[in-house]
Amino acid sequence: DTAVSQTPKYLVTQMGNDKSIKCEQNLGHDTMYWYKQDSKKFLKIMFSYNNKELIINETVPNRFSPKSPDKAHLNLHINSLELGDSAVYFCASSPTGGANYGYTFGSGTRLTVV
Amino acid sequence: DAKTTQPPSMDCAEGRAANLPCNHSTISGNEYVYWYRQIHSQGPQYIIHGLKNNETNEMASLIITEDRKSSTLILPHATLRDTAVYYCIVRVGSGNTGKLIFGQGTTLQVKP
Repeated sequence: DTAVSQTPKYLVTQMGNDKSIKCEQNLGHDTMYWYKQDSKKFLKIMFSYNNKELIINETVPNRFSPKSPDKAHLNLHINSLELGDSAVYFCASSPTGGANYGYTFGSGTRLTVV
Repeated sequence: DAKTTQPPSMDCAEGRAANLPCNHSTISGNEYVYWYRQIHSQGPQYIIHGLKNNETNEMASLIITEDRKSSTLILPHATLRDTAVYYCIVRVGSGNTGKLIFGQGTTLQVKP
């Protein structure tokens, strides 16, 4: 079983559309994250949730709205897509709180806005 | 901003040890050092982490200097499949607000 799974794997859409990316983890972790990797391969944290509560919001445009229906799921909805949103989006999860834990990442969703 | 600096690229011969350096001179006393790698465009893969002591697992060893201002990841017998971008990361923040801030990483090329 895949520990952190994201759907879809690829997403091609036109500017101005609204799209969602889903993430699910079966590791029993309490904290989940979204990261964005741009064309220069730079990985940047966007959000984190702990037990469905938003913890980190890294000044991401409010066109991006994460939603966590339960602690095993963290979805990312993007409104009014722009060309600059093209990137690979990675979901990750970790156990709660302590620094002594690694993150487990999903395999990514490649979003292309045309 | 990332609290680490790494060389942009390194080469290693297959079968030899790969030693990847990392500087984190502004690390705080309770901040852990993590190493991840990313093979092609896959999701980052956890390798190892540590606070003060040297650590070893089935993938690698982590050597942290006594002053904690730098560390070295050692892949004891590099294979072609170890070719990847290796990220040295200091986890900033504490508790639930802690986060991994990725830098540019080191592209390791393992050559036959």
